Amino acid sequence: EVMLTQSPGTLSLSPGERATLSCRASQSVSSSFLAWYQQKPGQAPRLLIYGASSRATGIPDRFSGSGSGTDFTLTIRRLESEDFAVYYCQQYGSSPQTFGQGSKVEIK
Amino acid sequence: EVQLVESGGGLVRPGGSLRLSCAASGFSLSTYSMNWVRQAPGKGLEWVSSISSDSSYIHYAASLKGRFTISRDNAKNSLYLQMNSLRAEDTAVYYCARVSYKLLGAFDIWGQGTMVTVSS
Repeated sequence: EVMLTQSPGTLSLSPGERATLSCRASQSVSSSFLAWYQQKPGQAPRLLIYGASSRATGIPDRFSGSGSGTDFTLTIRRLESEDFAVYYCQQYGSSPQTFGQGSKVEIK
Repeated sequence: EVQLVESGGGLVRPGGSLRLSCAASGFSLSTYSMNWVRQAPGKGLEWVSSISSDSSYIHYAASLKGRFTISRDNAKNSLYLQMNSLRAEDTAVYYCARVSYKLLGAFDIWGQGTMVTVSS
């Protein structure tokens, strides 16, 4: 099973700042099968990034994904108020598909 | 509008059973693989099970130990999760999620979730 470890657990930032979230895999993951989701309290997750670096429909360009192999990054260029949430990475190239434990971006 | 709506959650005693449903609207379920994902209170996302569009490929998380069964009825545009021998650790919000092959297999549509509470 591919373990995904996200860091930091919590990131405290102010609106307008840049957020950098990390997702590290226990073994190599095909970039085609790495996604990022955003989840706000009481809501279902929302797909942000697929294929490690492609934005899903309607996702603002301040969100970007990068990485390959075992190290992947989600960057939020300039945080807006609606971006404060929990972010999960997911790999679905190896069975069983797995999620990271999540990174919370909170208002400082 | 493309959406998924789960139902069937509730309070059940340990050892009991529940059947969750996920109704699709705005698209034909028959052309998509589907998944169930759960989230225990205050915890992260955990993949539960997946089923291919024609039910020929089915997978489960090892932790379920054969207690859950995923199925679908494409004619009814619906997905199901039969949960037996429920335990306290199965308490969670259960989401159904659509696989998008256009988006390389990511989960592009999620339902709002249905809460399952296992308690005596």
